[in-house]
Amino acid sequence: DIQMTQSPSSLSASVGDRVTITCRASQGISSALAWYRQKPGKAPELLIYDASNLQSGVPSRFSGSGSGTDFTLTISSVQPEDFATYYCQQAHSFPITFGQGTRLDIK
Amino acid sequence: EVQLVESGGGLIQPGGSLTLSCAASGFSVSNNCMTWVRQAPGKGLEWISVIYSGGLINYADSVKGRFSISRDDSKNTLYLQMNSLRAEDTAVYYCTRDLFTGSSGWYVYWGQGALVTVSS
Repeated sequence: DIQMTQSPSSLSASVGDRVTITCRASQGISSALAWYRQKPGKAPELLIYDASNLQSGVPSRFSGSGSGTDFTLTISSVQPEDFATYYCQQAHSFPITFGQGTRLDIK
Repeated sequence: EVQLVESGGGLIQPGGSLTLSCAASGFSVSNNCMTWVRQAPGKGLEWISVIYSGGLINYADSVKGRFSISRDDSKNTLYLQMNSLRAEDTAVYYCTRDLFTGSSGWYVYWGQGALVTVSS
């Protein structure tokens, strides 16, 4: 199975801050990576797919980059609704696996 | 508008069985790749099972041989039959639809989730 490791596990930020979350795959997955945002008590929302494609309707402050084993999600200017947990997910091979999550809190 | 509505969750004793349903609207389950993902309380996301439009099926090792995914095209509904339930199966179960009709692994539509609690 491909292991997905996110860092950090948690971070604190203020509204307007630039935030970067990293995801590392245990083996190369090309660009088969997605990012999700999950607000408390809600289902996850797809933000980015294919490592860098912004899902329709997702604000442009979100961006993704990377290929192979190392990926990043960047929020250029954190908004109040962005305080949530973020997950990366590989779709390169079965079983599909997710990172352990990164919790973004208000500083 | 695409909508997924899960039902069938509840409290079940270890070793018991339960079937989750996911009623879809706004699209045809038969033409799309449908996946179940679960989340244990306070934990991360775990992929469980997928059924492709052509009928091909895959399972996570943690549920293989105990869970069964299926769909009823006439009812436009996805199912997850869960047998031999264990305490570690306690989770919110989400049904999802892929972003692209062929297959992608990008889960763009999610239901509201169904809580399954396995406890005596």
